[in-house]
Amino acid sequence: QMQLVQSGAEVKKPGASVKISCKASGYSFTSHWMHWVRQAPGQGLEWVGIINAGDGTTEYAQKFQGRITLTRDTSTGTVYMDLISLRSEDTAVYYCARDQSQLDTAMILYWWFAPWGQGTLVTVSS
Amino acid sequence: SSEVTQDPTVSVALGQTVKITCQGDSLRSNYASWYQQKAGQAPVVVMYGKNKRPSGIPDRFSGSALGNTASLTIIGAQAEDEADYYCNSRDSGDNEWVFGGGTKLTVL
Repeated sequence: QMQLVQSGAEVKKPGASVKISCKASGYSFTSHWMHWVRQAPGQGLEWVGIINAGDGTTEYAQKFQGRITLTRDTSTGTVYMDLISLRSEDTAVYYCARDQSQLDTAMILYWWFAPWGQGTLVTVSS
Repeated sequence: SSEVTQDPTVSVALGQTVKITCQGDSLRSNYASWYQQKAGQAPVVVMYGKNKRPSGIPDRFSGSALGNTASLTIIGAQAEDEADYYCNSRDSGDNEWVFGGGTKLTVL
């Protein structure tokens, strides 16, 4: 079955960088985009960015521009999220989630995220 | 980027009907998707597109949209429906996606 398995928890100091992985299985890896979403402790979901696993095209949320890089390795079916210049506000659970899209009968494109990885806790603390 | 807003908390009596709403300009031109998140777990999609329910999601869940508002309705809420619910939509301007702030559903 489709599955996304993420790397383990990380503890980093302010100013450091972190690289998280998300390994996909059970579907055609290069046929889908992959989202990254984060959730700070006790807070809601926040969209971070997206990568086309086929050609590597990326789009990032404006607030992360310049600090985030999404990459993929098609040989292993793995997507990576690299976040630099970490600060305490980056403490969160980071999720990868496969993008799904479909055209309805009125030719309107709609999207949803499924499945999701189990999440990776990144703690930024001095 | 645009925003979508949700009521922070909603409660429903066991077996009754509840509607969770999401408002935002992006919803005028994009369908919402809805995610259920239980404590300590990753979110799970429960509704997307024009009232499309993934396999495994009970048919007591339904979705609708009108103008700038998307809604998730649970008819006959069960104790296991108690969770946080998030709507998501593609931003109508930028190439970004946006989540609502989430609604904590309590089943009394």
